[in-house]
Amino acid sequence: DQQVKQNSPSLSVQEGRISILNCDYTNSMFDYFLWYKKYPAEGPTFLISISSIKDKNEDGRFTVFLNKSAKHLSLHIVPSQPGDSAVYFCAASVSRLTFGEGTQLTVNP
Amino acid sequence: KAGVTQTPRYLIKTRGQQVTLSCSPISGHRSVSWYQQTPGQGLQFLFEYFSETQRNKGNFPGRFSGRQFSNSRSEMNVSTLELGDSALYLCASSLAMRSFDGYTFGSGTRLTVV
Repeated sequence: DQQVKQNSPSLSVQEGRISILNCDYTNSMFDYFLWYKKYPAEGPTFLISISSIKDKNEDGRFTVFLNKSAKHLSLHIVPSQPGDSAVYFCAASVSRLTFGEGTQLTVNP
Repeated sequence: KAGVTQTPRYLIKTRGQQVTLSCSPISGHRSVSWYQQTPGQGLQFLFEYFSETQRNKGNFPGRFSGRQFSNSRSEMNVSTLELGDSALYLCASSLAMRSFDGYTFGSGTRLTVV
């Protein structure tokens, strides 16, 4: 039972444009949501998070949106840079983290 | 500061064997969590240790076990290896339990079972 799903295995965007990564979840008990970024041969690194009591959180070029009624989470990166090319995982928590499958983002110069 | 160190980086084992993986957390971090990453499955939670006690466990069979030492270093053991255990095993350390935005992941151990 995949409680957190990232339906797009890959996304390609041009440098300077917006990248939008999506994530859907099924468990209404999740109370905290996070995005991690992973480069090849490295462990994931924390990017941004949002509590279930909020609907938006910004950190520089990164904004996470939470739509609880739709059980949908999205990460916006504006403007996208080639260094953003990585695998992005969304994750949700109650007492433990449940990860999505990941989306490979490629930002083309 | 030194990061999270996982050893070995790569491992090849035969079905039926057992394996032990090691994770040395960042100094001062007392919580260590383990995850299995397989293609198309994302990261799946194995267990979390804090102060030498397992505090949380994922939905893996009993062949998967772990422990944590007094210096917070952690090991995980997989017995009677199966082909499906081939994966990247990641550990993450943090100051406190369930401090998910404070996670620091290691680079992982790539286990191949043949």
